[in-house]
Amino acid sequence: SQTIHQWPATLVQPVGSPLSLECTVEGTSNPNLYWYRQAAGRGLQLLFYSVGIGQISSEVPQNLSASRPQDRQFILSSKKLLLSDSGFYLCAWSSLSGNTIYFGEGSWLTVV
Amino acid sequence: GENVEQHPSTLSVQEGDSAVIKCTYSDSASNYFPWYKQELGKRPQLIIDIRSNVGEKKDQRIAVTLNKTAKHFSLHITETQPEDSAVYFCAASKVQAGTALIFGKGTTLSVSS
Repeated sequence: SQTIHQWPATLVQPVGSPLSLECTVEGTSNPNLYWYRQAAGRGLQLLFYSVGIGQISSEVPQNLSASRPQDRQFILSSKKLLLSDSGFYLCAWSSLSGNTIYFGEGSWLTVV
Repeated sequence: GENVEQHPSTLSVQEGDSAVIKCTYSDSASNYFPWYKQELGKRPQLIIDIRSNVGEKKDQRIAVTLNKTAKHFSLHITETQPEDSAVYFCAASKVQAGTALIFGKGTTLSVSS
């Protein structure tokens, strides 16, 4: 069966520091991969999605970036965090031809 | 692009009552509409979905209805129980490779016993 792993689970970072969140999927090939952010009262906001290695679509202009160095690995990064980057970050995957997405356990980011 | 509006943002019901959450979408090409439930501190999980060739789908106490003409869909929970308390999200997308789900802002459902 397919599983998705996301880490770290929680982190507290100072303003201006870098960020790296990592996500990997097991048990499937060529998944579509997504990063969503959940801030209080703002629902699930799509940040990035990828249909293949090196293919990244950005939905929201911001100081975040995403990379997909391997088929089942998706990384969310920032060079300099802002206070407004605080939130719950969720990685997710779907099959190549499917629409149902399955979320990882999420990463709580607090920027102080 | 797609935009999904969800109402109400909060909903309080007594145990045993029904709860209804409504969503509207903007892109008439969307044809996949899932609902996710998120318990406190956990990841959202799919509870039911519907595709545009179907008007209604039921799974025990949960049902979803879709009106493509009006571009809205609803989640119905009957005989609510305290464990139904959670945040519920609707979403919409096209059934097409590489199309991401766009979510509503969520509804916080509280079921009191």
